[in-house]
Amino acid sequence: DQQVKQNSPSLSVQEGRISILNCDYTNSMFDYFLWYKKYPAEGPTFLISISSIKDKNEDGRFTVFLNKSAKHLSLHIVPSQPGDSAVYFCAAEANFNKFYFGSGTKLNVKP
Amino acid sequence: GAGVSQSPSNKVTEKGKDVELRCDPISGHTALYWYRQSLGQGLEFLIYFQGNSAPDKSGLPSDRFSAERTGGSVSTLTIQRTQQEDSAVYLCASSLAIGRETQYFGPGTRLLVL
Repeated sequence: DQQVKQNSPSLSVQEGRISILNCDYTNSMFDYFLWYKKYPAEGPTFLISISSIKDKNEDGRFTVFLNKSAKHLSLHIVPSQPGDSAVYFCAAEANFNKFYFGSGTKLNVKP
Repeated sequence: GAGVSQSPSNKVTEKGKDVELRCDPISGHTALYWYRQSLGQGLEFLIYFQGNSAPDKSGLPSDRFSAERTGGSVSTLTIQRTQQEDSAVYLCASSLAIGRETQYFGPGTRLLVL
């Protein structure tokens, strides 16, 4: 029973363009969301987070958007760079110290 | 400073054997988390520690799984009588405290049960 879903296993984008990674969740109790980035043979690294009291959070080239009514969040990377090529996981938490992760989207940014 | 380390990095075992996976968190981090990632799946939360205490063990897949943490530092995840479905990457993360502190992940232990 996956409470956090990333329906696109992969995404390919040209360098300089926008990458949009999507994530859907089912549990309306989730009120904190995160994105992690993972390179091969390494553990995930934290990228950006958003609390449910906001609908947008921006950090440099990375912006996370939250649509609570649709139970949907997305990560925008602008402009995309080849070094952004990695697997991106979204995660959600409902104040019980349990974090639920999606299955990941593999982003390939072509030079 | 040193990040989260895990050992072994790879483990191949036969079905029915016991395995022990180790996690060394970042020094000073009181919270420690264990996850596993099966092929094609997301990270599955297993258990977290606040200090040496694990308040909620409901995420452990079966009673063959156990975890402990000693001295507020090193943690071990033990899987008894391994099954083929236990094959996965087991990831450990630590953070300064429980809750919404950034979790820092180790590189994982890749377990293969034959």
